[in-house]
Amino acid sequence: RKEVEQDPGPFNVPEGATVAFNCTYSNSASQSFFWYRQDCRKEPKLLMSVYSSGNEDGRFTAQLNRASQYISLLIRDSKLSDSATYLCVVNGASGGSYIPTFGRGTSLIVHP
Amino acid sequence: DAMVIQNPRYQVTQFGKPVTLSCSQTLNHNVMYWYQQKSSQAPKLLFHYYDKDFNNEADTPDNFQSRRPNTSFCFLDIRSPGLGDAAMYLCATSRATGAATEAFFGQGTRLTVV
Repeated sequence: RKEVEQDPGPFNVPEGATVAFNCTYSNSASQSFFWYRQDCRKEPKLLMSVYSSGNEDGRFTAQLNRASQYISLLIRDSKLSDSATYLCVVNGASGGSYIPTFGRGTSLIVHP
Repeated sequence: DAMVIQNPRYQVTQFGKPVTLSCSQTLNHNVMYWYQQKSSQAPKLLFHYYDKDFNNEADTPDNFQSRRPNTSFCFLDIRSPGLGDAAMYLCATSRATGAATEAFFGQGTRLTVV
């Protein structure tokens, strides 16, 4: 079983749609969680952290369910510029470091 | 201003010819990571440094080595690149304190093996 699992998609949605991605993780001792965005042939960039209470940043909402070990990302009112791959990242403790472990990403295509 | 810088952005090397990728950071972070990312796959951790302490992932081939001469610089050495080593190599840094630390990535080096 992979440590971090995501549906690779692609999710193909029209502009203005609401789309949700899920991610599951296997290590129950994981401490922190993030969503990164990666554009084609570019490096991953932090989109948002995921807090236990859930958090919102504009059109983006992230939620964490520790009991079920999954993380979600909701994008409202999709824009063409949201087209990218969204990587779920889970940090697990390893000695004094917290090691980011990535899912393979979910591809989103927003079309006119 | 770029905080994690990787050089070169694109590297072409011959099969079997040693190659070195470099990464530097201005963040003064304790931890530096090297990831390998192949097309449509998750970035895969090769190894990381916590200060001078080197941590190798169990499944990282011996062909991959790393050096961290100081806080700011970290190198990835591929001793004998094979065709299967063609990938994007991502360097990242993070602070070691606190569980909520995020990783900051460089722009990556895309390696082609011919």
